[in-house]
Amino acid sequence: EVQLVESGGGLVKPGGSLRISCAASGFSFSDYNMNWVRQAPGKGLEWLSSIHSSSSYQYYTGSVKGRFTISRDNAKNSLYLQMNSLRDEDTAVYYCARGVSNGADLYLDFWGQGTLVTVSS
Amino acid sequence: SYELTQPPSVSVSPGQTASITCSGEKLNNKYAYWYQQKPGQSPVVVMSQDNRRPSGIPERFSGSNSGNTATLTISGTQVMDEADYYCQAWDITTHVVFGGGTKLTVL
Repeated sequence: EVQLVESGGGLVKPGGSLRISCAASGFSFSDYNMNWVRQAPGKGLEWLSSIHSSSSYQYYTGSVKGRFTISRDNAKNSLYLQMNSLRDEDTAVYYCARGVSNGADLYLDFWGQGTLVTVSS
Repeated sequence: SYELTQPPSVSVSPGQTASITCSGEKLNNKYAYWYQQKPGQSPVVVMSQDNRRPSGIPERFSGSNSGNTATLTISGTQVMDEADYYCQAWDITTHVVFGGGTKLTVL
């Protein structure tokens, strides 16, 4: 059974940093693209970042580029998101999601339960 | 950047057909995907590659994609289908793109 379990969320002050993690199990982690998606309270889904199965490339949405860094450790079946210079508007539930790529296409077939990050003074 | 537009809300009576649209420039040149999210839960894929139902998704869910609009159709809508629905596509510049979401109310 595919499982994605996020951790590391919490309360952080504006300008602060936080690293969240996602532990994967039930599939061959090193074969898949992985992604971070967030959802602000009462809002829609926002894709943040994607990392290739071998970490050969990473993509980011404009609002987090230069502040957030996605990484993975295939030996530990883990995905990470380092978040720096956090802002109030980064408050959201952060989801880890497995990506399925069909060439020039990608969708997210399994999602974790999410971890809440609250940025507030 | 590429954008997808959905109606904020759709209402349907139980047993009737619900249609949720997703519009984007030349969307038919891309695959459309649909996710269902119930309150307090994570999103679940209910339609893949325009019209393919993942395993475990009821047959009452169907999809299409033509021109600038993809449509998720739920035939014989049940109360359990009440949820937020998000369309998604992939674009070479914007990468993973979600629509703003549609709240489906069944009453």
